[in-house]
Amino acid sequence: EAGVVQSPRYKIIEKKQPVAFWCNPISGHNTLYWYRQNLGQGPELLIRYENEEAVDDSQLPKDRFSAERLKGVDSTLKIQPAELGDSAVYLCASSPLGGVEAGTGYTFGSGTRLTVV
Amino acid sequence: GIQVEQSPPDLILQEGANSTLRCNFSDSVNNLQWFHQNPWGQLINLFYIPSGTKQNGRLSATTVATERYSLLYISSSQTTDSGVYFCAVVFNTDKLIFGTGTRLQVFP
Repeated sequence: EAGVVQSPRYKIIEKKQPVAFWCNPISGHNTLYWYRQNLGQGPELLIRYENEEAVDDSQLPKDRFSAERLKGVDSTLKIQPAELGDSAVYLCASSPLGGVEAGTGYTFGSGTRLTVV
Repeated sequence: GIQVEQSPPDLILQEGANSTLRCNFSDSVNNLQWFHQNPWGQLINLFYIPSGTKQNGRLSATTVATERYSLLYISSSQTTDSGVYFCAVVFNTDKLIFGTGTRLQVFP
Protein backbone atom coordinates (compact mmCIF):
# COMPACT_ATOMS: atom_id res chain seq x y z
CA GLU A 1 0.00 0.00 0.00
CA ALA A 2 1.31 3.42 -0.93
CA GLY A 3 1.87 5.83 1.92
CA VAL A 4 1.03 9.52 1.98
CA VAL A 5 2.39 11.00 -1.25
CA GLN A 6 3.49 14.61 -1.48
CA SER A 7 4.86 16.64 -4.34
CA PRO A 8 7.03 18.37 -5.18
CA ARG A 9 9.80 17.15 -2.91
CA TYR A 10 11.70 20.44 -3.14
CA LYS A 11 10.72 23.90 -4.31
CA ILE A 12 12.76 27.09 -4.60
CA ILE A 13 10.92 30.30 -5.42
CA GLU A 14 11.51 34.01 -5.23
CA LYS A 15 9.62 36.00 -2.64
CA LYS A 16 6.24 37.33 -3.70
CA GLN A 17 5.74 34.39 -6.04
CA PRO A 18 2.92 31.85 -5.53
CA VAL A 19 3.55 28.21 -4.70
CA ALA A 20 1.37 25.14 -4.29
CA PHE A 21 1.89 21.78 -2.62
CA TRP A 22 -0.04 18.60 -3.30
CA CYS A 23 -0.90 15.70 -1.02
CA ASN A 24 -2.50 12.32 -1.72
CA PRO A 25 -3.44 10.59 1.55
CA ILE A 26 -3.66 6.89 2.28
CA SER A 27 -6.73 5.38 0.70
CA GLY A 28 -9.66 5.37 3.11
CA HIS A 29 -8.16 7.91 5.51
CA ASN A 30 -10.84 10.50 6.17
CA THR A 31 -8.67 12.93 8.13
CA LEU A 32 -5.91 14.94 6.47
CA TYR A 33 -3.49 17.34 8.10
CA TRP A 34 -1.05 19.95 6.86
CA TYR A 35 1.85 20.75 9.15
CA ARG A 36 4.70 23.23 8.82
CA GLN A 37 8.10 22.38 10.26
CA ASN A 38 10.59 25.19 10.69
CA LEU A 39 14.26 24.37 10.88
CA GLY A 40 15.18 22.82 14.22
CA GLN A 41 11.61 22.67 15.48
CA GLY A 42 8.77 20.19 15.67
CA PRO A 43 5.91 20.25 13.17
CA GLU A 44 3.02 22.64 13.84
CA LEU A 45 -0.49 22.08 12.57
CA LEU A 46 -1.77 24.46 9.90
CA ILE A 47 -5.09 22.86 8.99
CA ARG A 48 -7.03 19.66 9.58
CA TYR A 49 -9.69 18.22 7.29
CA GLU A 50 -12.32 15.64 8.04
CA ASN A 51 -13.39 14.48 4.60
CA GLU A 52 -13.75 17.71 2.63
CA GLU A 53 -14.49 19.95 5.63
CA ALA A 54 -11.77 22.05 7.26
CA VAL A 55 -12.49 21.47 10.95
CA ASP A 56 -9.45 23.24 12.40
CA ASP A 57 -7.72 26.03 10.49
CA SER A 58 -7.00 28.28 13.45
CA GLN A 59 -3.24 28.21 12.80
CA LEU A 60 -3.45 28.87 9.06
CA PRO A 61 -2.29 32.40 8.11
CA LYS A 62 -5.33 33.15 6.03
CA ASP A 63 -4.02 36.34 4.48
CA ARG A 64 -1.65 34.38 2.27
CA PHE A 65 -2.31 30.68 2.81
CA SER A 66 -5.21 28.69 1.43
CA ALA A 67 -6.03 25.01 1.26
CA GLU A 68 -8.61 22.80 -0.31
CA ARG A 69 -9.56 19.17 -0.27
CA LEU A 70 -11.91 18.52 -3.12
CA LYS A 71 -13.97 15.32 -2.95
CA GLY A 72 -12.38 14.53 0.41
CA VAL A 73 -9.30 12.88 -1.07
CA ASP A 74 -6.34 14.86 -2.45
CA SER A 75 -5.45 18.22 -0.98
CA THR A 76 -3.51 21.28 -2.07
CA LEU A 77 -1.93 23.95 0.08
CA LYS A 78 -1.16 27.28 -1.54
CA ILE A 79 0.86 30.29 -0.50
CA GLN A 80 0.40 33.58 -2.33
CA PRO A 81 2.51 35.61 -2.14
CA ALA A 82 5.37 33.75 -0.48
CA GLU A 83 7.59 35.51 2.05
CA LEU A 84 11.12 34.71 3.18
CA GLY A 85 9.76 33.45 6.51
CA ASP A 86 7.71 30.79 4.75
CA SER A 87 10.83 28.74 4.11
CA ALA A 88 10.14 25.45 5.89
CA VAL A 89 9.16 21.84 5.30
CA TYR A 90 5.45 21.37 4.67
CA LEU A 91 4.24 17.98 5.83
CA CYS A 92 1.00 16.25 5.02
CA ALA A 93 -0.40 13.46 7.19
CA SER A 94 -3.52 11.35 7.16
CA SER A 95 -5.39 9.08 9.54
CA PRO A 96 -8.70 7.31 9.90
CA LEU A 97 -11.35 9.33 11.74
CA GLY A 98 -10.35 9.46 15.38
CA GLY A 99 -7.02 7.94 14.51
CA VAL A 100 -4.94 10.52 16.32
CA GLU A 101 -6.58 9.92 19.64
CA ALA A 102 -6.62 6.18 19.11
CA GLY A 103 -3.00 6.27 18.00
CA THR A 104 -3.70 4.20 14.92
CA GLY A 105 -2.83 4.77 11.31
CA TYR A 106 -1.37 8.26 11.65
CA THR A 107 1.04 8.52 8.73
CA PHE A 108 3.17 11.38 7.47
CA GLY A 109 4.34 12.05 3.94
CA SER A 110 7.95 12.87 3.11
CA GLY A 111 7.23 16.59 2.98
CA THR A 112 7.95 19.45 0.60
CA ARG A 113 10.99 21.54 1.43
CA LEU A 114 10.26 25.14 0.44
CA THR A 115 13.01 27.71 0.10
CA VAL A 116 12.00 31.31 -0.53
CA VAL A 117 14.82 33.52 -1.78
CA GLY B 1 -1.59 26.19 25.52
CA ILE B 2 -0.02 22.91 26.46
CA GLN B 3 3.77 22.85 26.58
CA VAL B 4 5.80 19.83 25.49
CA GLU B 5 9.48 19.89 26.34
CA GLN B 6 12.10 17.30 25.52
CA SER B 7 15.55 16.66 26.88
CA PRO B 8 18.34 16.54 26.10
CA PRO B 9 18.18 18.69 22.96
CA ASP B 10 21.22 16.96 21.50
CA LEU B 11 22.79 13.57 22.14
CA ILE B 12 25.94 12.07 20.65
CA LEU B 13 26.60 8.37 21.16
CA GLN B 14 28.97 5.71 20.01
CA GLU B 15 27.43 2.61 18.48
CA GLY B 16 26.37 0.14 21.14
CA ALA B 17 25.62 2.71 23.82
CA ASN B 18 22.27 3.05 25.58
CA SER B 19 20.29 6.27 25.99
CA THR B 20 17.18 7.72 27.61
CA LEU B 21 15.17 10.55 26.09
CA ARG B 22 12.63 12.45 28.16
CA CYS B 23 9.40 14.25 27.32
CA ASN B 24 7.59 16.48 29.83
CA PHE B 25 4.14 17.88 29.21
CA SER B 26 2.30 20.56 31.10
CA ASP B 27 -1.25 19.19 31.22
CA SER B 28 -3.21 15.95 31.15
CA VAL B 29 -3.30 14.47 27.67
CA ASN B 30 -5.41 11.91 25.84
CA ASN B 31 -2.59 10.37 23.88
CA LEU B 32 1.17 10.50 23.56
CA GLN B 33 3.23 9.28 20.65
CA TRP B 34 6.94 9.02 19.93
CA PHE B 35 8.23 9.66 16.41
CA HIS B 36 11.60 9.28 14.72
CA GLN B 37 12.46 11.73 11.96
CA ASN B 38 15.24 10.25 9.86
CA PRO B 39 17.93 12.35 8.17
CA TRP B 40 15.78 12.45 5.02
CA GLY B 41 12.93 14.08 6.92
CA GLN B 42 10.51 11.14 7.09
CA LEU B 43 8.53 10.96 10.36
CA ILE B 44 7.90 7.42 11.56
CA ASN B 45 5.61 6.37 14.39
CA LEU B 46 7.49 4.51 17.10
CA PHE B 47 5.01 4.18 19.94
CA TYR B 48 1.49 5.11 20.89
CA ILE B 49 1.76 5.21 24.66
CA PRO B 50 -0.70 7.29 26.69
CA SER B 51 0.34 5.32 29.79
CA GLY B 52 2.36 2.30 30.81
CA THR B 53 5.32 0.64 29.13
CA LYS B 54 5.81 -0.80 25.66
CA GLN B 55 8.76 -2.44 23.97
CA ASN B 56 9.64 -2.93 20.32
CA GLY B 57 13.01 -4.54 19.75
CA ARG B 58 15.78 -2.27 21.04
CA LEU B 59 13.32 0.53 21.78
CA SER B 60 10.99 0.85 24.72
CA ALA B 61 8.87 3.65 26.10
CA THR B 62 7.25 4.44 29.42
CA THR B 63 4.64 7.10 30.13
CA VAL B 64 3.71 8.14 33.66
CA ALA B 65 0.59 10.14 32.90
CA THR B 66 -0.03 11.20 36.52
CA GLU B 67 3.41 12.83 36.62
CA ARG B 68 3.19 14.15 33.05
CA TYR B 69 6.29 12.66 31.51
CA SER B 70 7.35 9.96 29.10
CA LEU B 71 10.70 8.26 28.51
CA LEU B 72 12.08 6.64 25.38
CA TYR B 73 14.87 4.11 25.86
CA ILE B 74 17.23 3.14 23.08
CA SER B 75 19.51 0.20 23.80
CA SER B 76 22.56 -0.92 21.83
CA SER B 77 22.26 2.10 19.54
CA GLN B 78 23.08 1.81 15.84
CA THR B 79 23.99 4.43 13.26
CA THR B 80 20.55 4.00 11.73
CA ASP B 81 19.05 5.33 14.96
CA SER B 82 20.40 8.79 14.10
CA GLY B 83 17.87 11.52 13.52
CA VAL B 84 15.47 13.57 15.60
CA TYR B 85 13.11 12.01 18.12
CA PHE B 86 9.86 13.82 18.82
CA CYS B 87 7.17 13.18 21.34
CA ALA B 88 3.74 14.51 20.48
CA VAL B 89 0.61 14.77 22.59
CA VAL B 90 -3.08 15.02 21.86
CA PHE B 91 -4.86 17.50 24.08
CA ASN B 92 -8.65 17.78 23.72
CA THR B 93 -8.66 17.98 19.93
CA ASP B 94 -7.72 15.59 17.19
CA LYS B 95 -4.30 17.06 16.47
CA LEU B 96 -0.79 16.36 17.62
CA ILE B 97 1.25 18.94 19.51
CA PHE B 98 4.91 18.20 19.01
CA GLY B 99 7.73 18.68 21.46
CA THR B 100 11.00 20.41 20.81
CA GLY B 101 12.80 17.23 19.74
CA THR B 102 16.04 15.44 20.67
CA ARG B 103 18.67 15.25 17.94
CA LEU B 104 20.57 11.96 18.19
CA GLN B 105 23.82 11.23 16.38
CA VAL B 106 25.27 7.73 16.59
CA PHE B 107 28.82 7.24 15.38
CA PRO B 108 30.45 3.90 14.50
